[in-house]
Amino acid sequence: NAGVTQTPKFQVLKTGQSMTLQCAQDMNHEYMSWYRQDPGMGLRLIHYSVGAGITDQGEVPNGYNVSRSTTEDFPLRLLSAAPSQTSVYFCASSFLRQGSGANVLTFGAGSRLTVL
Amino acid sequence: AQTVTQSQPEMSVQEAETVTLSCTYDTSENNYYLFWYKQPPSRQMILVIRQEAYKQQNATENRFSVNFQKAAKSFSLKISDSQLGDTAMYFCAFPSVTGANSKLTFGKGITLSVRP
Repeated sequence: NAGVTQTPKFQVLKTGQSMTLQCAQDMNHEYMSWYRQDPGMGLRLIHYSVGAGITDQGEVPNGYNVSRSTTEDFPLRLLSAAPSQTSVYFCASSFLRQGSGANVLTFGAGSRLTVL
Repeated sequence: AQTVTQSQPEMSVQEAETVTLSCTYDTSENNYYLFWYKQPPSRQMILVIRQEAYKQQNATENRFSVNFQKAAKSFSLKISDSQLGDTAMYFCAFPSVTGANSKLTFGKGITLSVRP
């Protein structure tokens, strides 16, 4: 199993450019989410989804868009990149149902984004 | 809002010794999960241990164990026989929303260094 696959691993953008971070999982997880990690801030939730067609905002959603057209994919879009969006981004997924295997997040390897 | 606090930004331990990483949280709920994740220099987020709040017994995974004090809302991680490979950043995490165990709030993390 590939688990959670994020692409690209590294990206440099100029202010105002747009880009999409891709996230795909092959575990049939209902829940998918995006976090950003900044020094001294831990991981902060950007957006999440509990199933295809359903998305919602997390703690720091401004400047980011998401969509969930399939169970497997959950791309994160930066419409007009700003230096404040320089960060490491993680996609994570999990099952939603109750049980011993529920709710443990599986993370992608992370994507380091630099906005100049 | 439910919060997670890790007050120690950095810790250091001699190889083969024991270290305890602290975490406190705030909630009015009664049933929930608590998690510790490890992030080594590779950046990959790895689940270390999970505790279910309704269980009296502290969770244990090999050299890793928790001291869960529900009344005090404390969830510390004990690493026994520390190894060089334990050098990493450690995050405790807690569900942000009642019943949404996948939507985790993370603490700011503790950087643990294991000295040879």
